[in-house]
Amino acid sequence: GDSVTQMEGPVTLSEEAFLTINCTYTATGYPSLFWYVQYPGEGLQLLLKATKADDKGSNKGFEATYRKETTSFHLEKGSVQVSDSAVYFCALSDSDTGNQFYFGTGTSLTVIP
Amino acid sequence: GAGVSQTPSNKVTEKGKYVELRCDPISGHTALYWYRQSLGQGPEFLIYFQGTGAADDSGLPNDRFFAVRPEGSVSTLKIQRTERGDSAVYLCASSSYRGGNTQYFGPGTRLTVL
Repeated sequence: GDSVTQMEGPVTLSEEAFLTINCTYTATGYPSLFWYVQYPGEGLQLLLKATKADDKGSNKGFEATYRKETTSFHLEKGSVQVSDSAVYFCALSDSDTGNQFYFGTGTSLTVIP
Repeated sequence: GAGVSQTPSNKVTEKGKYVELRCDPISGHTALYWYRQSLGQGPEFLIYFQGTGAADDSGLPNDRFFAVRPEGSVSTLKIQRTERGDSAVYLCASSSYRGGNTQYFGPGTRLTVL
């Protein structure tokens, strides 16, 4: 069945460091891929998405490219800020298996000044 | 505009009691989803509504869990004979059409079963 495997955390980085959070997926069809972010005390917010192979999603300096050949959707940011501290979830939605989202377990990021 | 809202934000109940959790989706969104998020985990799918009907309830863990959406807008998740293992954050999301479209999440209801 469909699933998402996400890099385990927690991850601690210094401000302005480069961030990569790995995400790979298994899907039977042609999924759309998402990154959601959960800031402390808040609900899940969409960070970025890509709906087909080779698409790049980007938002707030974060980027992720939909790689069908490696079934990956790694999240990157060139220079993290303290305000990026949150839990990041990779997710997929596969119309072949319904409309539910399959989420990874989440990666907690802490950015220290 | 208004986002997805959920009430209550917190619910504490005793083992064996009945609880109802409410979700008010974004206006005009026909699809509504319920998820459950345990501590340290990602959300897990429970049930999906398209309009008034439950299009997919394969994620409901057992027959103590039931959800309705009688008028195609507000939905209620109902849990009978609650157990301590039901303690989690229950999330609701809505989207405007099917097939991989973005889901917008509410803040969740934190359920604690004592």
